[in-house]
Amino acid sequence: KQEVTQIPAALSVPEGENLVLNCSFTDSAIYNLQWFRQDPGKGLTSLLLIQSSQREQTSGRLNASLDKSSGRSTLYIAASQPGDSATYLCAVRNYGQNFVFGPGTRLSVLP
Amino acid sequence: DAGVIQSPRHEVTEMGQEVTLRCKPISGHDYLFWYRQTMMRGLELLIYFNNNVPIDDSGMPEDRFSAKMPNASFSTLKIQPSEPRDSAVYFCASRLASSYEQYFGPGTRLTVT
Repeated sequence: KQEVTQIPAALSVPEGENLVLNCSFTDSAIYNLQWFRQDPGKGLTSLLLIQSSQREQTSGRLNASLDKSSGRSTLYIAASQPGDSATYLCAVRNYGQNFVFGPGTRLSVLP
Repeated sequence: DAGVIQSPRHEVTEMGQEVTLRCKPISGHDYLFWYRQTMMRGLELLIYFNNNVPIDDSGMPEDRFSAKMPNASFSTLKIQPSEPRDSAVYFCASRLASSYEQYFGPGTRLTVT
């Protein structure tokens, strides 16, 4: 059974810093991995989707990497802004299965 | 497109009452998912539909939970009878068969007293 963990559970950084959020999964035979953002009281917004054949995906200041062999993905946020404050969740999908979500990392970017 | 629409946004009910949550997926999407989010258990998949047909309901916690999708533009999640431990945020999501990106609704915050 796939298990997804995210470290750290919470992170607070000053505005302008580059930061990395981590996601680990136990079953490396994944189909794809997706990073989401969740604002308080809101639904999830898709940020990046990485297929199993890909190593990374980039969108603006965000870069997500995937290392299937080690069961890890990272979300890199460059030049963080207060508007980036949210909870970031990674979700992993194995072949023939549905997404399994991590517990999330709560990010606070201080002005 | 307005995105995935859920109603109500907030629901407060007493234990034992029936609760019905509603979802309208994005037009043209083939898959619809119901999730539950709690502090203790995080985000859990309850059930999902493909072309209105329930495919996997193994995440539905008990027989008190049921879900239907009578047509491509509407789904319901019903809890009868409701219990305090059902208190959570319930999300609906949808996606195209040709894409793996799920689009989430704003959620329904359910409180059972």
